[in-house]
Amino acid sequence: ETVLTQSPATLSLSPGERATLSCRASQSVRTYLAWYQQKPGQPPRLLIYDASTRAPGIPARFSGSGSETDFTLTITSLEPEDFAVYYCHQRTNWLNSFGQGTKLEIK
Amino acid sequence: QVRLVQSGAAVKKPGASVEVSCKASGYTFTKHYIHWVRQAPGQGLQWMGIINPSRGTTTYAQKFQGRVTMTTDTSSHTVYMELSNLISADTAIYYCARELEDFSGSGSFGFWGQGTLVTVSS
Repeated sequence: ETVLTQSPATLSLSPGERATLSCRASQSVRTYLAWYQQKPGQPPRLLIYDASTRAPGIPARFSGSGSETDFTLTITSLEPEDFAVYYCHQRTNWLNSFGQGTKLEIK
Repeated sequence: QVRLVQSGAAVKKPGASVEVSCKASGYTFTKHYIHWVRQAPGQGLQWMGIINPSRGTTTYAQKFQGRVTMTTDTSSHTVYMELSNLISADTAIYYCARELEDFSGSGSFGFWGQGTLVTVSS
């Protein structure tokens, strides 16, 4: 099973700042890596898939990069609605796993 | 538009089984994999398994092998997830999720059901 490790666990920033979230895989997942945003009481929302492709309707301030084992989600200028929990997700040989999440909170 | 509508909340006793349904609409049911993901209170997301709605073939996470069964009913465009031998640690919100792309895609979850709270309590 591929283990995804996200860092940091919590990120405290102010609106307008840049956020950089990391996800590291225990083995190569090529570019089969997605990012999700989850707000309280809601299901997750897909932001990025294939490591760097924005999902339909996702603002351009969200971007993803990386391959193999190291991935980054960047939010260039935080809006108030961006404060939430973010998860990375991979699929390898039909088995899937999620990272433990990064909570992005208002400083 | 794509919709995944799940069955309502359930309360079960330890040792019992629970079945959660996920009714799909707004797309060709047999062309997209469906996954099940759960989330315990205050915790992260945990992948449970995948089903091909067309063939009914499944792959389950090792943690749930022997306890989970996923099935499909193509006539009603519904996928089912049954979890048996419930314990208190199975208390969670259970989500179904459809892959964004068809069978050739990379497997990201583009559409989610609203979630079903399953509470296991004596």
